[in-house]
Amino acid sequence: NAGVTQTPKFQVLKTGQSMTLQCAQDMNHEYMSWYRQDPGMGLRLIHYSVGAGITDQGEVPNGYNVSRSTTEDFPLRLLSAAPSQTSVYFCASSYGTGVTYEQYFGPGTRLTVT
Amino acid sequence: KNQVEQSPQSLIILEGKNCTLQCNYTVSPFSNLRWYKQDTGRGPVSLTIMTFSENTKSNGRYTATLDADTKQSSLHITASQLSDSASYICVVKNTNAGKSTFGDGTTLTVKP
Repeated sequence: NAGVTQTPKFQVLKTGQSMTLQCAQDMNHEYMSWYRQDPGMGLRLIHYSVGAGITDQGEVPNGYNVSRSTTEDFPLRLLSAAPSQTSVYFCASSYGTGVTYEQYFGPGTRLTVT
Repeated sequence: KNQVEQSPQSLIILEGKNCTLQCNYTVSPFSNLRWYKQDTGRGPVSLTIMTFSENTKSNGRYTATLDADTKQSSLHITASQLSDSASYICVVKNTNAGKSTFGDGTTLTVKP
């Protein structure tokens, strides 16, 4: 299993540009989520999905869109990039959300918005 | 407000020494507490998961403790190795909608 994969690893955008961060998992996990990690701060939940066709907002959803058309993929779209969105983005997946379910994180995408 | 506070913010120890990282939380109602290890440039990897009824859980040289009464957890690393240099993140989940609160992490540096 490749686990959770994310592309690209690095990206530089200009303010106002849009882009999609890709996330895929091959573990048949129902639950997927996107986080951002800023220096000195804990990971913050952006959006999550409990299954194909179902998405919901997390703690910091503004400026981001998601969709979940398949179990495997959960792309994150930046609609109009802003410098405040400079961060490292992590995608994660788990079989469920119960107590014992392990959450697996991808390697991250480092995004810089100038 | 649900909060998770970790201390110290950073720590430097010599290879072979032991260390203990702290996590205090106010998350309620409590579901579980997880410790993650995050190597530089990588995603977090789970070390332990503890529920309300568990006081201690080990994973190799890592031992986590939980005191649900005082809402405190610790992660003890025994006989540290250079590869233990990483950020250690405490995450507490509540039972309401299964939301998780992440601590800011403790950055551990192990020197030879």
